[in-house]
Amino acid sequence: QSALTQPASVSGSPGQSITISCTGTSSDIGSYNLVSWYQQHPGKAPKLIIYEVNKRPSGVSNRFSGSKSGNTASLTISGLQAEDEADYYCCSYTGTGTSCVFGGGTKLTVL
Amino acid sequence: QVQLQESGPGLVKPSETLSLTCAVSGYSISSGYYWGWIRQPPGKGLEWIGSMYHSGTTYYNPSLKSRVTISVDTSKNQFSLKLSSVTAADTAVYFCARDATSRFDPWGQGILVTVSS
Repeated sequence: QSALTQPASVSGSPGQSITISCTGTSSDIGSYNLVSWYQQHPGKAPKLIIYEVNKRPSGVSNRFSGSKSGNTASLTISGLQAEDEADYYCCSYTGTGTSCVFGGGTKLTVL
Repeated sequence: QVQLQESGPGLVKPSETLSLTCAVSGYSISSGYYWGWIRQPPGKGLEWIGSMYHSGTTYYNPSLKSRVTISVDTSKNQFSLKLSSVTAADTAVYFCARDATSRFDPWGQGILVTVSS
């Protein structure tokens, strides 16, 4: 199980849109529509913001959206707000007998 | 509202066994879902440790499989993690979470476990 690849950091100004990529392989992201994304503020537990590639849990802002193409999944945050500054992690199912392989995480800075 | 709460020792000696429990409220473990453990070393990313179905079926991260045991106590509505032969590399915040096929939600608040003599 190799970790999924995410950029270490991204940044954007309030109101702008940013996209965080998550690259895997044909054995994980490429094979299953079971990609989830988590937001983690410092000292807090991660929070699910996207599941099954592009579904939002109840209560999560529609400014967060997910997509997938081939072996790469993406998280887009539109209308950036200061409160979006956090670490973001992707996770993909890797097949029967396992659960999740996480990405290395991306630190989002709102300028 | 489903809530999870980790508990256990915050300090474990090298070569010993780390033992943590996750108490679940607002949902009966026996009703379904997998229940998992995830850890995060200080300043680093998340690592899935393993997950267990209420029936006892378990899935473990291949890199930890030889040292990990996850078990469930449906009478107490809680599940547990044991990690043997720990080293300093096992120092981390340990989270428990409900696992719906790689969808972890909700999460416990996490517990910091330090491995040190």
